[in-house]
This record gives sequence, structure tokens and C-alpha cells, in this order.
Amino acid sequence: QKEVEQDPGPLSVPEGAIVSLNCTYSNSAFQYFMWYRQYSRKGPELLMYTYSSGNKEDGRFTAQVDKSSKYISLFIRDSQPSDSATYLCAMSLASGGSYIPTFGRGTSLIVHP
Amino acid sequence: GAVVSQHPSWVICKSGTSVKIECRSLDFQATTMFWYRQFPKQSLMLMATSNEGSKATYEQGVEKDKFLINHASLTLSTLTVTSAHPEDSSFYICSVQRGYGYTFGSGTRLTVV
Repeated sequence: QKEVEQDPGPLSVPEGAIVSLNCTYSNSAFQYFMWYRQYSRKGPELLMYTYSSGNKEDGRFTAQVDKSSKYISLFIRDSQPSDSATYLCAMSLASGGSYIPTFGRGTSLIVHP
Repeated sequence: GAVVSQHPSWVICKSGTSVKIECRSLDFQATTMFWYRQFPKQSLMLMATSNEGSKATYEQGVEKDKFLINHASLTLSTLTVTSAHPEDSSFYICSVQRGYGYTFGSGTRLTVV
């Protein structure tokens, strides 16, 4: 079993839909949870990060962490074609000054007009 | 987050030759940089941690003699793929840690023919 599991998709939705992206993980020691967006042939860019359990909202994006279930989600409201990209979840241990993340394989999202 | 510049963005080389990829931290003095490799539809795999002024730390299974890393200054790390083979064709990405976040370069698409 991989440490971080993420369905690669693709996930295809119409413009305006609510998108739900998810990851599960096996290491209960993970404390920091992140979502990155990666456009084709580009490096990932950090969208959101959360510490421990709970919700965090930023504009159209909401990140949710359920540590008891080892499950994290990213919701995108009012999805736009410009949201079409690969979304990678990542998580890391809280150990010293280094938080090297472990990445999921990414979910490809396609938002069609 | 930090601003990270990676060069070149793509390169094609002949089998058996060497290729150098540069990663620059433009606005942040990075004592540590990270090198990742990403195969199509796969997650980011950490290859090595580049340490300014000292030897890089390689992940298990990564050949240090094949993937030479030099971190001679606080703003520049280089990855040299030596004696490249077609199986080395991949997307190579560097990143810089700043606080809780990791900023990634735009990546280098290496194709070995």
C-alpha cells in the first residue's frame, strides 16, 4: 500500500460544478496537509495547506482534513475551465525544520465550458 | 513563497551524453533545495536533497554517480544527468522550502533519444 493514495482520474465536469478531490493516507503521523495545482509541463504551485484536522477556506477552494479517517479533500466551487489541471495532495511529518512532503500521484481535472 | 527559476525548460539529448539542469532561488537564500522526478501520470518522487556547501543526500534507489548535484551557492543548485539513457527521460523539478511551503521551479522536460 502506498503512503498516499489518489485517484488519477481524469475527472471531467461542466463549468460551474462543485468539484471534490480526495486523498487517503496510511501514516497517522502526518501533520501537515497540502494541495498543489500543476498545469501541463509546469511545476506544481501551492494552493492550500492545513495543519492537523479541520477545514480551511480560500475563495472558491476549501480544504478538509479528517485525521481519524486518514482522508483529505479539496473542494472547488463554481469551477472554471481555467481550473483544468492536475491536483496533487501532499502531506508531511512535523519533524524539526524540514517538512519534506510525500505526494499523491495527482488527479487530472477537466472543466469543460 | 520563494521565486524559483529552472533552466532549461526542455532539452533533447543523445543517449550517452550529459545534461545539466539549473535551479535558482531568485529572492531567497536557500541552504537546501530539493530535486524531484515525475514520470507521466505519476507522483513527484524526491530524488535528492541538495545542501549548500556539502554533499547532497540521495533517496534510496537514486544513483548518486549518475545524478550529480552541486549546490555551490545559496541561490544555485545544479543537477547533471550523466551518460543519459532513454529511461532517464522524465520531468525534473527542483523546489525550495520556505516556511511550511515548498515553491517549485517550472520543471525541465528531458528527452533522451
